[in-house]
Amino acid sequence: NAGVTQTPKFQVLKTGQSMTLQCAQDMNHEYMSWYRQDPGMGLRLIHYSVGAGITDQGEVPNGYNVSRSTTEDFPLRLLSAAPSQTSVYFCASRDREGSPLHFGNGTRLTVT
Amino acid sequence: KQEVTQIPAALSVPEGENLVLNCSFTDSAIYNLQWFRQDPGKGLTSLLLIQSSQREQTSGRLNASLDKSSGRSTLYIAASQPGDSATYLCALLISSGSARQLTFGSGTQLTVLP
Repeated sequence: NAGVTQTPKFQVLKTGQSMTLQCAQDMNHEYMSWYRQDPGMGLRLIHYSVGAGITDQGEVPNGYNVSRSTTEDFPLRLLSAAPSQTSVYFCASRDREGSPLHFGNGTRLTVT
Repeated sequence: KQEVTQIPAALSVPEGENLVLNCSFTDSAIYNLQWFRQDPGKGLTSLLLIQSSQREQTSGRLNASLDKSSGRSTLYIAASQPGDSATYLCALLISSGSARQLTFGSGTQLTVLP
């Protein structure tokens, strides 16, 4: 059982470049979400989805896009990377509301 | 806005010691509280989940308590081991937008010395 899989593990971008962080889960979870983790700021919610075709903004959505065409996949797109987006990004999913959240191992992104 | 605080930010103890990690929050209108463990370079692993109507949950050497009236949760680790070294985060499930969301504390980095 793979759980939540994120790719790539590491990425370096130049300012202005675009890229997509991949997230896939094999637990048939309806809810998926993206967080960023920065030193001293904890984890902050970027976007989330409560099912295929449904997405919504979290606390820090600017500069990021998401889509949810299938239950399994929830990619995060950086449209024009900025140094402020240097962070560790985590994808997470859960079953029903209030059940434990399952996290991927993260993508460490550096924007120069 | 819900504020979640974890103090201390770092803690170092000798092996075998019992210890308590603290999590405080400002708004008692929560649905549940989760404790997570994060190892360096890894994602978060859920340890315990306490529903709003519960006072505590136990799993092995771990016991988590919840006191909504005082805005406090504690994670008790019995007979600590070097393998317990990690960062421990608490997170509260609150209402936000169209779904309930987790609000995280910044974590306590625990080091258990052999």
